[in-house]
Amino acid sequence: EAGVAQSPRYKIIEKRQSVAFWCNPISGHATLYWYQQILGQGPKLLIQFQNNGVVDDSQLPKDRFSAERLKGVDSTLKIQPAKLEDSAVYLCASQRSGRGGHEQFFGPGTRLTVL
Amino acid sequence: KNQVEQSPQSLIILEGKNCTLQCNYTVSPFSNLRWYKQDTGRGPVSLTIMTFSENTKSNGRYTATLDADTKQSSLHITASQLSDSASYICVVNPSGGSYIPTFGRGTSLIVHP
Repeated sequence: EAGVAQSPRYKIIEKRQSVAFWCNPISGHATLYWYQQILGQGPKLLIQFQNNGVVDDSQLPKDRFSAERLKGVDSTLKIQPAKLEDSAVYLCASQRSGRGGHEQFFGPGTRLTVL
Repeated sequence: KNQVEQSPQSLIILEGKNCTLQCNYTVSPFSNLRWYKQDTGRGPVSLTIMTFSENTKSNGRYTATLDADTKQSSLHITASQLSDSASYICVVNPSGGSYIPTFGRGTSLIVHP
């Protein structure tokens, strides 16, 4: 079974530039999460999708971050414009269902550096 | 507010020694608790899952315990190996509401030869 795929693995941009991350979850997984993980900290939830609908985006900085999951499969996370404090690893995770505490399977992450 | 607190924040031990990591939570209603291992540059990987009725569960050299009354869990690593060097994250899943999991900040473990 293929795991969660993310791209790119690394990205370096200057502040005020735009960047987009892509995630392909495990086939058949209805729930998809995007997390921001700052060095030395645990993952912080940015947004949760159930199929193509948003379950929770309360911690997503909506003035600069946006995410979509068209057709309930792949997802993209965009930052526009980027700030220095956005430097972090962005993790995508998928789950069979958001209920019942099923295991989340994480991708390798995208390491973003904002200069 | 749902919270997960982990201790210690970091730990350095010698290869072959045992160690115990702690996780305290206030998530309610409780569904289950997972311990994840995150190697440097990788995404977290689940080690164990503890449900309300389970007190202890082992996965090789990893043994997790759960006290649902005091809302505490521990992860014990026996005979540590260099490959155990990683961050260990405690995640608690609620049984209702929006089902959003709550993550701890993790314990960074370094095993020295």
